[in-house]
Amino acid sequence: SYVLTQPPSLSVAPGQTATLPCGGINIGTEGVHWFQQKAGQAPVLVVYDTTGRPSGIPERFSGSNSENTATLTISRVEAGDEADYYCQVYSSKSDSFVFGSGTKVTVL
Amino acid sequence: QVQLVQSGAEVKKPGASVKVSCKAFGDTFTGHYMHWVRQAPGQGLEWVGWMNPNSGGTNFGQKFQGRVTLTRDTSINTAYMELIRLASDDTAIFYCVTGSASGRMEFWGQGTLLTVSS
Repeated sequence: SYVLTQPPSLSVAPGQTATLPCGGINIGTEGVHWFQQKAGQAPVLVVYDTTGRPSGIPERFSGSNSENTATLTISRVEAGDEADYYCQVYSSKSDSFVFGSGTKVTVL
Repeated sequence: QVQLVQSGAEVKKPGASVKVSCKAFGDTFTGHYMHWVRQAPGQGLEWVGWMNPNSGGTNFGQKFQGRVTLTRDTSINTAYMELIRLASDDTAIFYCVTGSASGRMEFWGQGTLLTVSS
C-alpha cells in the first residue's frame, strides 16, 4: 500500500518559518491535503489540492509539491500553530485515501 | 457551510457491533462525499471509508472491508457507520467528515469515542 512519510516532530521559534515535509513515491503527481489537529480537537483542513487554502485559513499556511516530497510551510509561526499536522492523498493503486503519520509541531 | 453532529460515546464488548450516527445541519450532505476516519488513542488518522453522494455507493479501506457498513437517511440528513466484530484495537475516536472525491475533507464532526473492552 502507498506510504506517506512525515518526521515525527519539529520545533520552531515564534516568528520563524516551519517547513513540514511529506514524502511519497511520485507524490508530485497527486493533489495533497494537509490537516491541523490541536490537542483534544477534530482535525482542520488547512491546505487542499496541494496549494488551495480554505476560507478562514491564514495566508501564512501554504503548500507545494515536487517529485517525491510535498511540503506544508507555515510562515511567521505563532504559539497557536502548535499542533499535529497530517498530509493525505488518494492512492489510485489501492483506491483508498492515505494519511501520513503526522508531525508534531512545537513552538518554542 | 455544514455542521456535523455525531452520536455520543459508546462502550462495547469484543465481538459486538456499534452504529455511529452523523447528522448534518446548515446544508444537506447529498452533494458531498461522506468520509469516516478513525483515530486510535495517541495515534494518527486512518481512513475508514466513504459514501458517494450521488449513487450511494461505498468504498472502504482494506483494513475495514467486510466489517463496516455505511448508510444514510436523506430525509433526516443523517449518515451512519456500523462496525461489526469489534476488537480491543477498535478503541478509537471515529469522525465523520464531508468532502470531495479527491479527499478534500473540509467539515468534520466532533468525533465519537468507541471503547471496546471486556
